[in-house]
Amino acid sequence: QKEVEQDPGPLSVPEGAIVSLNCTYSNSAFQYFMWYRQYSRKGPELLMYTYSSGNKEDGRFTAQVDKSSKYISLFIRDSQPSDSATYLCAMTRSSNTGKLIFGQGTTLQVKP
Amino acid sequence: GAGVSQSPSNKVTEKGKDVELRCDPISGHTALYWYRQSLGQGLEFLIYFQGNSAPDKSGLPSDRFSAERTGGSVSTLTIQRTQQEDSAVYLCASSHGLRAYEQYFGPGTRLTVT
Repeated sequence: QKEVEQDPGPLSVPEGAIVSLNCTYSNSAFQYFMWYRQYSRKGPELLMYTYSSGNKEDGRFTAQVDKSSKYISLFIRDSQPSDSATYLCAMTRSSNTGKLIFGQGTTLQVKP
Repeated sequence: GAGVSQSPSNKVTEKGKDVELRCDPISGHTALYWYRQSLGQGLEFLIYFQGNSAPDKSGLPSDRFSAERTGGSVSTLTIQRTQQEDSAVYLCASSHGLRAYEQYFGPGTRLTVT
């Protein structure tokens, strides 16, 4: 079993929809949780990071972490065709361990 | 400012040949990371450099893989005697030393071993 599980999709939604992307994990030592967006043939782009449990909002994006359930989410409001990409969750134990553990990525398509 | 750069962007090599992949981190970032992204395996950690500390090589898949970082800046990932299973996108990232949660990635090198 992988340390981080993420449904690969694909997920297809109409423009303007609210998108929910999720990851589950097994290692309770993870403290930092990140979401990356990756366009085709590009490197991953950091969207947001969260420390421990709670919510964090940045524009149309909201990240949620529930450590008791070992479950993290990324919500995208008012989705746009430009949001079409692969979304990767990533986690690490501390701020200086270096090694990120990634989910497989969820491919999202937002249709105009 | 300039982001992480990698070269070459694409590399095709024959099985058994050695290859070198280069990474230029963001100026001022003391930590540098290499990952590999392949179909079915997702993004896998390979190696991590932080300042003058010994690198964390725990993700290197075999002794054919090695990396060095010269002068605390540029890094080279070397794969000796390449195999077809080495075909993947090799990604480099950098961060400030104590902000591993804020890694910025380069565009990657797409390696194809024929």
